[in-house]
Amino acid sequence: AQKITQTQPGMFVQEKEAVTLDCTYDTSDPSYGLFWYKQPSSGEMIFLIYQGSYDQQNATEGRYSLNFQKARKSANLVISASQLGDSAMYFCAMRDGGSQGNLIFGKGTKLSVKP
Amino acid sequence: DTGVSQDPRHKITKRGQNVTFRCDPISEHNRLYWYRQTLGQGPEFLTYFQNEAQLEKSRLLSDRFSAERPKGSFSTLEIQRTEQGDSAMYLCASSSGPPYNEQFFGPGTRLTVL
Repeated sequence: AQKITQTQPGMFVQEKEAVTLDCTYDTSDPSYGLFWYKQPSSGEMIFLIYQGSYDQQNATEGRYSLNFQKARKSANLVISASQLGDSAMYFCAMRDGGSQGNLIFGKGTKLSVKP
Repeated sequence: DTGVSQDPRHKITKRGQNVTFRCDPISEHNRLYWYRQTLGQGPEFLTYFQNEAQLEKSRLLSDRFSAERPKGSFSTLEIQRTEQGDSAMYLCASSSGPPYNEQFFGPGTRLTVL
């Protein structure tokens, strides 16, 4: 069965520093996609970045990059130059090739950025 | 605002009552998803529509739950005979094109069952 594991319930980072949020996944499907979403305290889920299983390069979107290590089944999110507004819950999610696109989410990591 | 909208944002009800939530997706999106998120957890998939057809349902969607998308536009999620365990955030998301396209989420409806 497909599964997403986020082992860091909470993380602290100093403003302007980089931080890595861990995500490992499990699937037997060779075709899958990995997503990261941000959920501020207001509740809405904000899409950050996507990595396809066949993508040759790691995805980047502004200050966000995804460290994709296929053999290790990990898809860690790297946030560079942290800002106070980055404080939120971060969820890693996966869609596998056999699904209609519904996402499987991890339990999330709460990131707190310190001034 | 052209994002996904949900109504109501908050709903408090007594156990045993029926509730209905509405989701308006981004207008050109043909795919619509419902998720449920309980405290301290990530969202869990409930059901999926492509246009007006409900193509997939999670085992979490008991027979007390029903969802519709009558004209392939907005969708409703109804919970009959609510239970305290139904208390959660109900999230709607929409996307277009292939399944790997990102899903855009609405603000959610927070349900509290007393």
